[in-house]
Amino acid sequence: EDQVTQSPEALRLQEGESSSLNCSYTVSGLRGLFWYRQDPGKGPEFLFTLYSAGEEKEKERLKATLTKKESFLHITAPKPEDSATYLCAVQGASGGSYIPTFGRGTSLIVHP
Amino acid sequence: EADIYQTPRYLVIGTGKKITLECSQTMGHDKMYWYQQDPGMELHLIHYSYGVNSTEKGDLSSESTVSRIRTEHFPLTLESARPSHTSQYLCASSDPAAEPTDTQYFGPGTRLTVL
Repeated sequence: EDQVTQSPEALRLQEGESSSLNCSYTVSGLRGLFWYRQDPGKGPEFLFTLYSAGEEKEKERLKATLTKKESFLHITAPKPEDSATYLCAVQGASGGSYIPTFGRGTSLIVHP
Repeated sequence: EADIYQTPRYLVIGTGKKITLECSQTMGHDKMYWYQQDPGMELHLIHYSYGVNSTEKGDLSSESTVSRIRTEHFPLTLESARPSHTSQYLCASSDPAAEPTDTQYFGPGTRLTVL
């Protein structure tokens, strides 16, 4: 069974204070690892898909990296508008349905 | 930006009522999903569909039904709402033909409160 654990559960940063969110996973045959941003009361917004260890993707102040056991979402010089819950999900090859498994997310608050 | 829509956005109803949550997408995606999400918790899969006339049950499907008569439309029905159904319901879609794998795109969600 695929599993995803995100840490920390909550993170408070000052504006400009860089940090990283962690997503540890176990999966049978990784097809993809996904990062989403979710604002309160809204649906998750797609950020990145990573497919293989060593891959990196960037978008503005966000950079996602992937190893064989975990992924990091690095936030460089965050701004208050980066405050949101960040969700990680993995899609494995077992079972054939290819339904992603989600973690509980990390709630990020960036103070001005 | 993903073109996937959910209605209503908010719904407050009494116990025992039958309700249908609507979900539509204009991307032509074959796969569609329904998730339930409570605050601070992971998304739980309720139902999913591979395409027209295809529906599958997820982890929390026993009290709801879905249909897929058209590619773009995937409604979720609760036959008799209970307070335990109070939650956020999220619809998503993906293109299984995408390589190397399909990414899910989510709608804005329906916040359901059952009194």
